Amino acid sequence: DTGVSQDPRHKITKRGQNVTFRCDPISEHNRLYWYRQTLGQGPEFLTYFQNEAQLEKSRLLSDRFSAERPKGSFSTLEIQRTEQGDSAMYLCASSPGGTPLHFGNGTRLTVT
Amino acid sequence: KQEVTQIPAALSVPEGENLVLNCSFTDSAIYNLQWFRQDPGKGLTSLLLIQSSQREQTSGRLNASLDKSSGRSTLYIAASQPGDSATYLCAPLRIGNEKLTFGTGTRLTIIP
Repeated sequence: DTGVSQDPRHKITKRGQNVTFRCDPISEHNRLYWYRQTLGQGPEFLTYFQNEAQLEKSRLLSDRFSAERPKGSFSTLEIQRTEQGDSAMYLCASSPGGTPLHFGNGTRLTVT
Repeated sequence: KQEVTQIPAALSVPEGENLVLNCSFTDSAIYNLQWFRQDPGKGLTSLLLIQSSQREQTSGRLNASLDKSSGRSTLYIAASQPGDSATYLCAPLRIGNEKLTFGTGTRLTIIP
């Protein structure tokens, strides 16, 4: 059990660029979640997968956001045409089913 | 819609004191509630998971209580240490829902 791994840890990009983040869950965890956290706030749910199926998406996940989990292993979160309001910490979590959730250290995105 | 409030928003106490962090939620139809800690710039570390059928859960110097009917949970930290300094977040899981709803957290500082 090496924990949930996220890459990169930090990403600085210019407005309008596309970015992609990766999450490697704890092995054999069939559920994978993405959350977003802005400064001084608690994390907000974005989406979750059970195996390779994306089962729920938040209204926060605009058309510029897309998440995938091919083969039910790692997941990617892509943001197209980034905006300054996308600046946040993007957190990934996994679980063997329901709770408890195990979180990674996050990817901090700064859009300039 | 579940709303979670954590009071106080910030707390500073001398080392060695016992302390209580509060969490309240508006929808009492929950499966369980999870307490996390978050160090600056890091992800979330799960501390305790308390099921809706339980009233208390203990791990070391930490004790979480749950009063589902009144929509309240407390996290008790005994004999506080400087290493306990972090932000503490609570997150109930509603029945029939897969996403945790987080409060904004309590930022705890233990003064040596």
